[in-house]
Amino acid sequence: GIQVEQSPPDLILQEGANSTLRCNFSDSVNNLQWFHQNPWGQLINLFYIPSGTKQNGRLSATTVATERYSLLYISSSQTTDSGVYFCAVELGDFGNEKLTFGTGTRLTIIP
Amino acid sequence: KAGVTQTPRYLIKTRGQQVTLSCSPISGHRSVSWYQQTPGQGLQFLFEYFSETQRNKGNFPGRFSGRQFSNSRSEMNVSTLELGDSALYLCATSEGYRLIRELFFGEGSRLTVL
Repeated sequence: GIQVEQSPPDLILQEGANSTLRCNFSDSVNNLQWFHQNPWGQLINLFYIPSGTKQNGRLSATTVATERYSLLYISSSQTTDSGVYFCAVELGDFGNEKLTFGTGTRLTIIP
Repeated sequence: KAGVTQTPRYLIKTRGQQVTLSCSPISGHRSVSWYQQTPGQGLQFLFEYFSETQRNKGNFPGRFSGRQFSNSRSEMNVSTLELGDSALYLCATSEGYRLIRELFFGEGSRLTVL
């Protein structure tokens, strides 16, 4: 099956710093989403971005589908940004309609 | 509009019992899929339902089952619970089940098996 790798696994930053999280995937995908898992376990949608670039406030994401990677940028980090960030991809072929998740990046923002 | 609603949020069971979890999708969403999250295995796909039919299934034993009702609400059931079934169970919904689609998750049901 498709492999999804995220790096770095852990990241500790001072409040106000910028960060870049990476997601590599091993096959062509139809869909790619970034999620932030809050302390209560809910996966919060950040971006639906199978290709291109999107921005939402301090967060932005870029997916280069031809090179099979996606990047999530967080600028001016706040303590509320702490948590685990997952990327998840979905193949387009019949019978493979499911999200495959990476192992996540645990981000800790220190005040 | 209201988000994805999962009930119950927390529950404790003992080995051998069975459990039923419920997921109510966002209005207009007809696809419901279920995922299990554990510290050791991460997030893994269980199954997906669309128009009351199971469309896809992950690699879980037959003790894990589900169904979808005509109003798109879905339930999953785990019978003969084992300690290893302790996990966060998340459901995700989308308008369709193939091709271009965005999935939205509920808050999850945290199951502890003693």
